[in-house]
Amino acid sequence: QSVLTQPPSVSAAPGQKVTISCSGSSPNIGNNYVSWYQQLPGTAPKLLIYDNNKRPSGIPDRFSGSKSGTSATLVITGLQTGDEADYYCGTWDTSLSAGMFGGGTYLTVL
Amino acid sequence: EVQVVESGGGLVKPGGSLRLSCATSGFTFSSYFMNWVRQAPGKGLEWVSAISSRDNYRFYADSVKGRFTISRDDAKSSLYLQMNSLRAEDTAVYYCARVMAAAGTPLDYWGQGTLVTVSS
Repeated sequence: QSVLTQPPSVSAAPGQKVTISCSGSSPNIGNNYVSWYQQLPGTAPKLLIYDNNKRPSGIPDRFSGSKSGTSATLVITGLQTGDEADYYCGTWDTSLSAGMFGGGTYLTVL
Repeated sequence: EVQVVESGGGLVKPGGSLRLSCATSGFTFSSYFMNWVRQAPGKGLEWVSAISSRDNYRFYADSVKGRFTISRDDAKSSLYLQMNSLRAEDTAVYYCARVMAAAGTPLDYWGQGTLVTVSS
């Protein structure tokens, strides 16, 4: 069981918006930056968001992130069928001196 | 172009050992923290280990502490994971990933992964 809690699945129609939550605690999300990753079936994870709300070069602005207290949120707007994938939040835990990921959320674009 | 390529996976019996390698190119390897992340079949990502630039610090998940050892060879731009006392639950695809130069610890470049299967 992951220390960071994500909903197992979310779904929305093409063109719509979806939010994916990631809940942690003070030693991890509360005191560290959050990243988000997209993993398409059969491929390696890809960095979508880093430092809570920054996008790496090449990531469209349909993807955005935020953090408040011990929770973080990934928002995807203008959903496309190609967005169907697993999404993971990740951060560092200061008390454990260890990295960690959420359990992952599978996005279905209906 | 940044490239990250893992190798060394395979089938090993419980209690056995395996050494994974990660060859990199396209960036100044010695300047970056590096991580190992694994993914069991049909499961989510699990952080395994990290090593700082200059090898000042090494970090491990509790699940592998005392059994796995991370190391690096800056001259070869390579990262390693020595895995001993392997268990069935270590079966996974193992990814090597670079830590991006950022305020946090985001992993910006990942390899394609190498599969480790622990079975008798």
